[in-house]
Amino acid sequence: GQSLEQPSEVTAVEGAIVQINCTYQTSGFYGLSWYQQHDGGAPTFLSYNALDGLEETGRFSSFLSRSDSYGYLLLQELQMKDSASYFCAVSVQISSGSARQLTFGSGTQLTVLP
Amino acid sequence: NAGVTQTPKFQVLKTGQSMTLQCAQDMNHNSMYWYRQDPGMGLRLIYYSASEGTTDKGEVPNGYNVSRLNKREFSLRLESAAPSQTSVYFCASSEARAGSSYEQYFGPGTRLTVT
Repeated sequence: GQSLEQPSEVTAVEGAIVQINCTYQTSGFYGLSWYQQHDGGAPTFLSYNALDGLEETGRFSSFLSRSDSYGYLLLQELQMKDSASYFCAVSVQISSGSARQLTFGSGTQLTVLP
Repeated sequence: NAGVTQTPKFQVLKTGQSMTLQCAQDMNHNSMYWYRQDPGMGLRLIYYSASEGTTDKGEVPNGYNVSRLNKREFSLRLESAAPSQTSVYFCASSEARAGSSYEQYFGPGTRLTVT
């Protein structure tokens, strides 16, 4: 099976930088994704890393180290609207011929304080 | 484009009742998924459909059945609801094309309570 670990809560102030770590154990790994979910809302896609290194999209960056089974999401210039839950998810293929699936971590609740 | 739509938005069932959750997407995606999310937890995959005409079990399929009616629609059925099935149910779709990010697009969710 798959398992992912990420911190349950993180708190930071507006304008700061915060890093949310994710470690995983899985087989059939293809990539690591990050999703954002506001209270009462649906998850929305933020980023995907299939290869080692850093991917940058505006204020958000995501990093992957396949050898360490580790990734992180970096949020810069935090804004109040960034208060949400952030989920890492591994993209896996259980067996040849099967479709890829996402297995989600339990989520990190980010609170941004004024 | 509406994206992924789900009906109903809210539902209360008594133990033993049955119901079907509907999901439709207008993005011409091949793959569709059903997840449940319990409070303070991540999403767990119930069933998925890699393409029209195929369905497969996910992590927590017991107590559920699915139908991929056509490329657009993927329904989830609870034959005999139990309180343990109280949850928020999300449908998602993705293009699932080799080399893509396999980004999944989620519907707004159905909040189900079983008493």
